[in-house]
Amino acid sequence: EVQLVESGGGVVKPGGSLRLSCAASGLPFSDYPMHWVRQVPGKGLEWVSLISGDGGSTGYADSVKGRFTISRDNSKNSLFLQMQSLRTEDSALYYCAKGRTYYYDSSFDSWGQGTLVTVST
Amino acid sequence: ETVLTQSPGTLSLSPGERATLSCRTSQSVRSNYLAWYQQKPGQAPRLIMHGASSRATGIPDRFSGSGSGTDFTLTISRLEPEDFGVYYCQHYGGSPLFTFGPGTKVDIK
Repeated sequence: EVQLVESGGGVVKPGGSLRLSCAASGLPFSDYPMHWVRQVPGKGLEWVSLISGDGGSTGYADSVKGRFTISRDNSKNSLFLQMQSLRTEDSALYYCAKGRTYYYDSSFDSWGQGTLVTVST
Repeated sequence: ETVLTQSPGTLSLSPGERATLSCRTSQSVRSNYLAWYQQKPGQAPRLIMHGASSRATGIPDRFSGSGSGTDFTLTISRLEPEDFGVYYCQHYGGSPLFTFGPGTKVDIK
């Protein structure tokens, strides 16, 4: 069974930084693209970023481009999201999610439970 | 940029009834790259359907997906109590790469 466990959320001031982690188990981690998706509590889903299985390709939503950096350590089955220049509108529950297939353009078939990021003065 | 619209916003139904959820995209979706997710309160989303009409692993056959181009439908033939929640459609592989619809809430009448 695939398990994804996020950590690293917390409260940070506008302009600050935070690094999220996602620990994966139960899958050949390097075979799959991984994603970060966020959700303001009570609101809809917003895709944030993607990284290919080998880490060689990444993609970002326009809302975070230039401020967030996705990375992975396949030797440790771990996914990361480095968030900088945080804004109040970045406050959300951040999920890591697994791509359903090897290809980057596939749906997300496993999700973690999320880690909450609050950007506030 | 592909924009997804879902209707209705809320669907109030009783167990045993049929639910029909609509998702429309502003541009034609190539290769039916359209997925549906279910989310219950306090839980992460769960993949229900991919490729517009392929059920994800473990999803019961009362769920079916259809559509092509810009119009897609998720149908739940007979609602079970565990089916209530919010359903999101998602376009993947477009521009932007991944886009979610605003969701349809299916609640108990």
